[in-house]
Amino acid sequence: ETGVTQSPTHLIKTRGQQVTLRCSSQSGHNTVSWYQQALGQGPQFIFQYYREEENGRGNFPPRFSGLQFPNYSSELNVNALELDDSALYLCASSLEGGNSYEQYFGPGTRLTVT
Amino acid sequence: QQQVKQSPQSLIVQKGGISIINCAYENTAFDYFPWYQQFPGKGPALLIAIRPDVSEKKEGRFTISFNKSAKQFSLHIMDSQPGDSATYFCAALNTGNQFYFGTGTSLTVIP
Repeated sequence: ETGVTQSPTHLIKTRGQQVTLRCSSQSGHNTVSWYQQALGQGPQFIFQYYREEENGRGNFPPRFSGLQFPNYSSELNVNALELDDSALYLCASSLEGGNSYEQYFGPGTRLTVT
Repeated sequence: QQQVKQSPQSLIVQKGGISIINCAYENTAFDYFPWYQQFPGKGPALLIAIRPDVSEKKEGRFTISFNKSAKQFSLHIMDSQPGDSATYFCAALNTGNQFYFGTGTSLTVIP
């Protein structure tokens, strides 16, 4: 059984650019959630995908969007990057939507916006 | 508005001592309360979790105490070890599948 993996590990972008982050869920997990973790803070929920449909969204603007693929891997896309978007982006996979209690996190992608 | 308030921000404990981290919440719709452990450069790892119908849950050296009426829950780490040095996050899940995390506690266990 493989764990949750994310790519890339680190990324540097310029303000106004667009970025795509990728996540491969733990084997058998069909639900993925994305979080933004600013330095020294707890993770903040961006959104969740279950069976390729958005299944809940936190307080993030529409320029944060996502996709989940049939193999349950997923992407987080951020348009028009702002300096405040600099953070660690975490994805977490879980088994079965609706009651996604036990979430397993990947190591994260560190995004720096200059 | 911080949905889950966590304290202390940092904690230093002697090896063999008890580490206690506290969290409080306001939203009575929360129905699942996990604790996560995060090491530098890693994602959070689920440590232990509790449902509101139980007042205490113990797994090895880790215990969650839950006070539903006070809307508070805490993590107790017994016989703390240097390997426990990490950042700990409490969290709460609402019925909308959204987790709310505390701001984290940096634990240092001194040998």
